[in-house]
Amino acid sequence: AQSVTQLGSHVSVSEGALVLLRCNYSSSVPPYLFWYVQYPNQGLQLLLKYTTGATLVKGINGFEAEFKKSETSFHLTKPSAHMSDAAEYFCAVSDLGGGNKLTFGTGTQLKVEL
Amino acid sequence: GAVVSQHPSWVICKSGTSVKIECRSLDFQATTMFWYRQFPKQSLMLMATSNEGSKATYEQGVEKDKFLINHASLTLSTLTVTSAHPEDSSFYICSARDGGGGNIQYFGAGTRLSVL
Repeated sequence: AQSVTQLGSHVSVSEGALVLLRCNYSSSVPPYLFWYVQYPNQGLQLLLKYTTGATLVKGINGFEAEFKKSETSFHLTKPSAHMSDAAEYFCAVSDLGGGNKLTFGTGTQLKVEL
Repeated sequence: GAVVSQHPSWVICKSGTSVKIECRSLDFQATTMFWYRQFPKQSLMLMATSNEGSKATYEQGVEKDKFLINHASLTLSTLTVTSAHPEDSSFYICSARDGGGGNIQYFGAGTRLSVL
């Protein structure tokens, strides 16, 4: 069975500050990891994914995440927050590239303040 | 990127009626689609996996007779909420797996169902 834990249901940062959203996973097989963003009343948009290879993954909108097997983590970062980054962020794990079932974390609401 | 269209985006219905939600993959074929339910301020919970040409696979605790899923073509899956009740009010989101594009799931914009 797989599970995802997102520490911090709400994160608040100042515009221009570093964004760090935490995600830890458990999986009995090599995981495929994803970060999705959801704006109010909308579906999910894929930010980035880790499948195999390079552990530092770059996504859209300046976000990146690093897969750390020893820490079972896949934290999402962005060097400088923008007001438009305010949204709900979900970390998800899958065992076969995301084509199979995705298990989502409970989400982190990011607030960006002036 | 791949586009998934979900319709309607918002529906209000009376208790006891049925509501159909459509999920279409616009620029790729999807042998597998997924239906999720999201309660306010919560994560997505997988309801069922929809496979083209075969019966859907439902997650534990999801009533298959209440949430009817049909995946009749490679680009369309439908979810019908039968005899809807106020407790069925929720945000329903579909996703489609692009088997030819890295096996990634692409999500629709969701349907907000309000049952009066």
